[in-house]
Amino acid sequence: AQTVTQSQPEMSVQEAETVTLSCTYDTSESDYYLFWYKQPPSRQMILVIRQEAYKQQNATENRFSVNFQKAAKSFSLKISDSQLGDAAMYFCAYRSAISYKYIFGTGTRLKVLA
Amino acid sequence: GAVVSQHPSRVICKSGTSVKIECRSLDFQATTMFWYRQFPKQSLMLMATSNEGSKATYEQGVEKDKFLINHASLTLSTLTVTSAHPEDSSFYICSASRFGPNNEQFFGPGTRLTVL
Repeated sequence: AQTVTQSQPEMSVQEAETVTLSCTYDTSESDYYLFWYKQPPSRQMILVIRQEAYKQQNATENRFSVNFQKAAKSFSLKISDSQLGDAAMYFCAYRSAISYKYIFGTGTRLKVLA
Repeated sequence: GAVVSQHPSRVICKSGTSVKIECRSLDFQATTMFWYRQFPKQSLMLMATSNEGSKATYEQGVEKDKFLINHASLTLSTLTVTSAHPEDSSFYICSASRFGPNNEQFFGPGTRLTVL
C-alpha cells in the first residue's frame, strides 16, 4: 500500500523569505501523480502544484516549485517570496495512475511571520 | 471552471436524526465524486467513491448503512448521515472528477457537521 509522510507538523517563515516543506512517499508503482494542496482557514482545498512521475522536470507554478526525487521518493515544495496569504495547512498527496484514490499526508501548518 | 459546491456549509443536528449533505459540480459533469472526512487537525480520509448511476464503493471501515451515498446525476452526489451520533461530528469534504476517476479531483468547500 502507498503511504505519504509529512514529517513537519508546523513550519514558520518570515515574509518574503523562502521555505521548503518536505514530503516522502512509498510506492511500488512506477506511474503516479503527486500533488501539493493548500487548505486555508476556510478549509477549501486548493491545488498548488502537481507533478507527473514520468516527467523528470520539476513542476513550477509562479512562486511555488517542487523538488521531485523519484529514486528517493521525495517530493518537497518550495515557496519563494512568502506572503501572508500563504499561511495555511499544506497537504502532500499521491495518486496512482491506475487507482483513482488520493492518499494524503498528515499536513504541515505553515505560519508566515510579518 | 471546475467549481464544486457543498450544501449546507454547516449543520447542527440532534443525536439520532439524519442529515443530508449535497455536493454539486457547477460547471462540469462529474462522472465520479468522492467523499472525505477530516477530523480536527488531521488529514483527509477517503470514505467512499460515488459513480453516477451506480452504487458507491466504500472504503474499509466505513459503514455503508450509516453513510448513504447517492449519485443521481452527473452534477449531484449526496451523503446522508443516518442516525447521527456525536462521534459523527466532523468536517466532510466532497470532490469531483471529470472524465472518470483517473483525473484531477476538484474539491468542495466542505460541510461541518456537529451532532449534539
